Amino acid sequence: GQNIDQPTEMTATEGAIVQINCTYQTSGFNGLFWYQQHAGEAPTFLSYNVLDGLEEKGRFSSFLSRSKGYSYLLLKELQMKDSASYLCAAFFSGGYQKVTFGTGTKLQVIP
Amino acid sequence: DAGVIQSPRHEVTEMGQEVTLRCKPISGHNSLFWYRQTMMRGLELLIYFNNNVPIDDSGMPEDRFSAKMPNASFSTLKIQPSEPRDSAVYFCASSPRDYQSLGEQFFGPGTRLTVL
Repeated sequence: GQNIDQPTEMTATEGAIVQINCTYQTSGFNGLFWYQQHAGEAPTFLSYNVLDGLEEKGRFSSFLSRSKGYSYLLLKELQMKDSASYLCAAFFSGGYQKVTFGTGTKLQVIP
Repeated sequence: DAGVIQSPRHEVTEMGQEVTLRCKPISGHNSLFWYRQTMMRGLELLIYFNNNVPIDDSGMPEDRFSAKMPNASFSTLKIQPSEPRDSAVYFCASSPRDYQSLGEQFFGPGTRLTVL
C-alpha cells in the first residue's frame, strides 16, 4: 500500500494559524485531498491539489509539492469549531484512481 | 439533496451473526466506496464500485466480507459471520467522477457496528 504520514495530534490557540503536514510516497501519485471530520461525524471535503502550489479557500489553504511528496493544510484565524480531525487523502494511478487516507491529525483549538 | 444515506446508523450484534449494512448513493454519482474506520487503523478503503461494477476489492479483509451493488441507487456490505474485531464505523461514500479521474467524495453518516 501507499504510506501517508501526518502528525497524530496538534493543539493551537483560537485566532492563531496552524499548519498540518502530510507526506506521501511519490510513485504513481496523482493528487491530494483534505477532509475535515468532527467527532462522531462523517468526513467532509475541504480542498484538493493536483498541481504544485497553494490553493486558497477562505480561512483554509492547501499546498502541494509533488517532487517532495509533501502537502500541508493551513488554517487561519482559528475558531473553536475548527477542533476536528483533518484527513489527508492521496490518489495514486494504476489503471484507476486509487485513494489512500492518512490516519488523520486531531486538532484541538484552545481559548 | 438528500446526500448519501446509510442504514442502520447503529448496529449491535453478537459474534457469529450476519450483519448487512446498506447505502444509497447520491443520484447521478458514478462511483461508490465502502470504508471502515477505527482508532488504530484510521479510514480504510474496503471496496470501490464504478457504474455498479467492483473495480477494487483488495481492501476487503477476508472472505467473511462481501459487497454488492445491484443497481445505481443501492449497495450492501455484508459480514458473515461477524467477529468482535469487526467493530468499527463503516462509511459509504459516492463521487460524481468515474474511476479514471479524481473526484471529491461525499460521505454518508456512517454505521457504528459493535460485535459482542
